[in-house]
Order: sequence, then structure tokens, then C-alpha cells
Amino acid sequence: DSGVTQTPKHLITATGQRVTLRCSPRSGDLSVYWYQQSLDQGLQFLIHYYNGEERAKGNILERFSAQQFPDLHSELNLSSLELGDSALYFCASSGKGVLPSGNTIYFGEGSWLTVV
Amino acid sequence: GESVGLHLPTLSVQEGDNSIINCAYSNSASDYFIWYKQESGKGPQFIIDIRSNMDKRQGQRVTVLLNKTVKHLSLQIAATQPGDSAVYFCAESNYIRLIQGAQKLVFGQGTRLTINP
Repeated sequence: DSGVTQTPKHLITATGQRVTLRCSPRSGDLSVYWYQQSLDQGLQFLIHYYNGEERAKGNILERFSAQQFPDLHSELNLSSLELGDSALYFCASSGKGVLPSGNTIYFGEGSWLTVV
Repeated sequence: GESVGLHLPTLSVQEGDNSIINCAYSNSASDYFIWYKQESGKGPQFIIDIRSNMDKRQGQRVTVLLNKTVKHLSLQIAATQPGDSAVYFCAESNYIRLIQGAQKLVFGQGTRLTINP
């Protein structure tokens, strides 16, 4: 158990709909990252938040948005969903230590989104 | 641009043998590398990391080797077991970004390791 919690684990929705994925980082971790993994594909970086502030943005679609709340949990909002958005969405978190081990990124088990 | 690639998409080894998974990176600014293991339907699991001031780092049954000259790293798994079957990803980042709380990991496509009995 990595300590990173994601909900829901599975979600099926129709095209055009909007969903929200939730992530609770490991206790004490300030950074939250979102990654997308399509079938048999690698992990594509979407966005990174640090202590409530957006720090880096990857290839995230304009239909997608995220935020990190004061209690450090994060939500990824996916709107106007398309079939191609079906994927595993992972949240990861890391601490603020200056040593590499303190900043190692740990992943949650993912939210499997199916758009039909 | 940044890219981290893997030499082989699949690797099949006999149970008990040693496995070597390779990874190449192209970003000269990368100085921190991580190996993850991803089992089917699960999230990537941290295995081992290494900074560029080291050439080798050992964990439990795993060793990571870093060759900065040719921008290559490898993951060696000793005495491979059935439970080692998974997709293995290497990822890279930059230590300065790490300190600034702006760490970004770039992942390769992954190598699928299968174990033959």
C-alpha cells in the first residue's frame, strides 16, 4: 500500500459527460501529480500541484482541469468526455524533503475510466 | 525534447535467472532516475532510485546501474521469481526541480518482463 488513495476505482460514463476523480496523497506529502495511462501505453504526465499551487503542466487537454485543496487532496475534472479519454488515471504524491528518497514519487492504484 | 526510452518492449527469462532491463535517456539535464514496477491493474510501484553522483545502487535483489557517458541505465533483478512478472518503467527528472518542489517525471514506454517456469 503506497498510502495514496484514489476514488473511484472504476467509472463508466457516456460521451459528453463530466467526471471528477479524487486523490488523497500520503500523509504529509505536499505534491500531487496526475498521470494518464492508455491501454498498453506509458504514463503521460498531466499536471503537478505543490501545496495548493499549480507547478507544472504537461499535455493536459483544455477539457481537463485539476485543483489541490487546503487539506492537500486533489481532484481531476474531465469534461465533454470522448471515447479516447478512456484510460487509467493515476495520482501520485511526494514529500518536500531535499533528499531523493524524501521526494520519491509514490502512486495510487488508479481510477479506471471507461467512456462509452 | 525530453524522452526516456527502453531498448526492448518485452523480456522473457527463466525463473531463477537474472534479468536485466535497459533504459536510455536523452535529456542531459536529468540527474535523478527511478525504476517502477507495474503489475496488471495496479499502480506503478517504486523499486529503486539513483542520483547522477552514483554509478550503482543496490536494493533487495535489485541493482540499478547508471552510465552517464552514454545516457543509459539498467535494472538488474537477481534470481527472478514469478512475482517479478510486470511492466517495468524507468523515469527521469532533474534534482533542482526536485528541491524546488516542481519535480516532473518522464516515463519510458515500459518493458514487459515475463518469467518462464
